[in-house]
Amino acid sequence: AQSVTQLGSHVSVSEGALVLLRCNYSSSVPPYLFWYVQYPNQGLQLLLKYTSAATLVKGINGFEAEFKKSETSFHLTKPSAHMSDAAEYFCAVSLSGGGADGLTFGKGTHLIIQP
Amino acid sequence: KAGVTQTPRYLIKTRGQQVTLSCSPISGHRSVSWYQQTPGQGLQFLFEYFSETQRNKGNFPGRFSGRQFSNSRSEMNVSTLELGDSALYLCASSPVDRPNTEAFFGQGTRLTVV
Repeated sequence: AQSVTQLGSHVSVSEGALVLLRCNYSSSVPPYLFWYVQYPNQGLQLLLKYTSAATLVKGINGFEAEFKKSETSFHLTKPSAHMSDAAEYFCAVSLSGGGADGLTFGKGTHLIIQP
Repeated sequence: KAGVTQTPRYLIKTRGQQVTLSCSPISGHRSVSWYQQTPGQGLQFLFEYFSETQRNKGNFPGRFSGRQFSNSRSEMNVSTLELGDSALYLCASSPVDRPNTEAFFGQGTRLTVV
């Protein structure tokens, strides 16, 4: 069975500052890892995904994440926060790329951007 | 290409009633998954359908059921509604014929049980 832990239910950063959202996973086999973003009253939008091709993954909106097997981590970063980045972010793990076995999500991190 | 469409967007039901939610996947996508999102439990996997067959199921009571039609559209049903069933129900589709793909989510149906 796999699980995901997101450290910090709320993260607050100033506009222009570095964004770092933490995600640690546990899985019995090499997993597929995802970061999704959710805006209020909306569904989930994929930011990026790790599928073992490269450990540093670049996504949309300037986000990137690095897969570190030794630390079982997949932290999400963005060099400079923008007000439009304020949203809920979810890290997820799956044993299959398409999520047919079901994505296992972390509890989410609410990102607050201070002007 | 149109995204995943869920109907209705909002629904209010009374405890004890049943409800049916609908999901139309992206054209060409054959896998449809359902998730429940609540403030307390977060996002939880309900079940996944492919070619009209349920392949995987999460840890939910039998009151939660679903089905998929030959055109890949899917419905989920919740019988004997409880107050705790109030949630955002999300549908996701993916093209399982391609490797390394991901699930595309709809905007969800917000169910309120009173």
